[in-house]
Amino acid sequence: EDQVTQSPEALRLQEGESSSLNCSYTVSGLRGLFWYRQDPGKGPEFLFTLYSAGEEKEKERLKATLTKKESFLHITAPKPEDSATYLCAVQDPYNNNDMRFGAGTRLTVKP
Amino acid sequence: EAGVAQSPRYKIIEKRQSVAFWCNPISGHATLYWYQQILGQGPKLLIQFQNNGVVDDSQLPKDRFSAERLKGVDSTLKIQPAKLEDSAVYLCASSLVAGSGTVTYEQYFGPGTRLTVT
Repeated sequence: EDQVTQSPEALRLQEGESSSLNCSYTVSGLRGLFWYRQDPGKGPEFLFTLYSAGEEKEKERLKATLTKKESFLHITAPKPEDSATYLCAVQDPYNNNDMRFGAGTRLTVKP
Repeated sequence: EAGVAQSPRYKIIEKRQSVAFWCNPISGHATLYWYQQILGQGPKLLIQFQNNGVVDDSQLPKDRFSAERLKGVDSTLKIQPAKLEDSAVYLCASSLVAGSGTVTYEQYFGPGTRLTVT
């Protein structure tokens, strides 16, 4: 069965301390890899879609990259408002394009 | 543009009772999804509708869960009877259309309904 694994489970950073979150996946024929942000008590909020190895996308302090087996979400000079759970999902083209989510990385940025 | 609406936001019931959740997707979005998110885990797909037809319900526990999407717009998800392990957040999402070929469409989520079964 296809797997999506995110690491670390939790990450605590000081404001301004850059770092990366990892999402590794095993899926045949990747159609798309998605990053979402989820705040407590809210639904996931769409951030990025990546389609092919080598692709990169940026939004403010976030940059997502994709290789053949994993994706990274780089956070540059984070601020406390970046604290949230970041979810990765892959679209399975052999199963009705269902989204398979990882368990997420819970990011805390301390001022 | 209005987002995905869900109600109620919170529900507490006793085991063996029934409960229903409602979702109104973004206007014009043909595809609607229901997910179950247990605390500390990522969302798990329960059912996917394309307009008012079911595309995938392979992970829906059909002995107790049911869902419908009348007229291809609003949708309801029902649990009857509820079990303790059904305690979770139930998320509704919508997208323009399910991905086909090499094109995919991101999903937009509602705020969810937090269900507690005691």
